[in-house]
Order: sequence, then C-alpha cells, then structure tokens
Amino acid sequence: DAGITQSPRYKITETGRQVTLMCHQTWSHSYMFWYRQDLGHGLRLIYYSAAADITDKGEVPDGYVVSRSKTENFPLTLESATRSQTSVYFCASSERRVSGNTIYFGEGSWLTVV
Amino acid sequence: EDKVVQSPLSLVVHEGDTVTLNCSYEVTNFRSLLWYKQEKKAPTFLFMLTSSGIEKKSGRLSSILDKKELSSILNITATQTGDSAIYLCAVDDYGGSQGNLIFGKGTKLSVKP
Repeated sequence: DAGITQSPRYKITETGRQVTLMCHQTWSHSYMFWYRQDLGHGLRLIYYSAAADITDKGEVPDGYVVSRSKTENFPLTLESATRSQTSVYFCASSERRVSGNTIYFGEGSWLTVV
Repeated sequence: EDKVVQSPLSLVVHEGDTVTLNCSYEVTNFRSLLWYKQEKKAPTFLFMLTSSGIEKKSGRLSSILDKKELSSILNITATQTGDSAIYLCAVDDYGGSQGNLIFGKGTKLSVKP
C-alpha cells in the first residue's frame, strides 16, 4: 500500500546545481502533478501530466523540467537551482472520473537552496 | 480567472469549541469541491461535494455545498488539539483539460487545550 512516494524527502543544495525530485505512484493513476507550497501562496501547480509522454505547464513552470516515460514515475528537475526555489514540493496523482477528481498527495520533498 | 477563496486565514479556538471554515469559488465549469486537512506533511483528503452530494459528514466533521451561493462550509464540532491543521478547499473545474484542482490558500486552525 505504498501510494505515492517521493525522494529525497529533504535536500539542501547550492545555487546553480541541478536537482531532481523523484515521484513514484503504485495506483496506475493517469494524472500526475507537481506542486510547490509556500507561505502566502498556498499550493501552486508547477507541471502536470495526463498520461505517459504527455506533460504540460501549470501556474509556475519556469526553471523546472519534467518527464514521464512511464505511467508510475514523474520526476521533477530543477535545471539550475535558485534560492527562490526553496520550497516544499508535493507530487500528486489522480484518476479523472466523470464524478470528479480526487487528488492524492505524496509526503513532500523539502528543498533548501543555499 | 478562476479562484478559490477561504476565510478566515487563521483561527484560534479552545478544545470543545465548534468552528466553521468558509470557502467561496468562482470557476467556469464547476464539477466538485474538495476539502483537505494538512498537518505537518501532505494534505489528506476529507470530503468531496458535488451537485448530487451536497452534504457530507464524518464523525465531528461535516461539510455543506451551496451551489447557489458558490460556497461551502466545513464544520468541526467539539474540537480537539488533534484538529489543529491547515484546512484546504479545492475546486474541480470540469472544463479544464488538466485534471487539476484549484486550491485556496487554506485556513490555519489552532486548537488550544
């Protein structure tokens, strides 16, 4: 009953470095999402994916890259980390149904850029 | 532009009190409204409200959807310290292609012993 797992859970990195946050789900949900959560802004969508090989930008995509070669994995890469990307990152998934979506979240990845 | 607004932003009560959290929304094609509870980690799902299910209850928590007023309330009776959390409201816009939910900024509830 793993659900969604994220790794690493905590990371400190330096400005300019590339960082990849991993996300794996065991439900075979078609939709996957990456959010960041910051004080005063709430949850903001970075990127989402409707299926393998289909990704699209959310509200705050700049500085991030995603890929989805397999349904169960949705890694998020910060190409050149900046201090403004210090945040908590949540991966999530859902199965789109006529009755409505319920999004389920991973435990979060705390990223500090120094 | 779609938006979801929650009020109050924060709330401090004492154990045993009853609280009401509010959520109002403006979306193009409403399909459902969801409530989540977030303690120190990930948001966890509480309720989904739709046109066919405008009222939900689970223990001391209950929620009502008012489609006419474009709003919802989350009630917590006989609050406990374990209810302390951020409560998030989110709306599913049926017209959106991304399958995403639009989140409010949350209400931070603190329950004092």
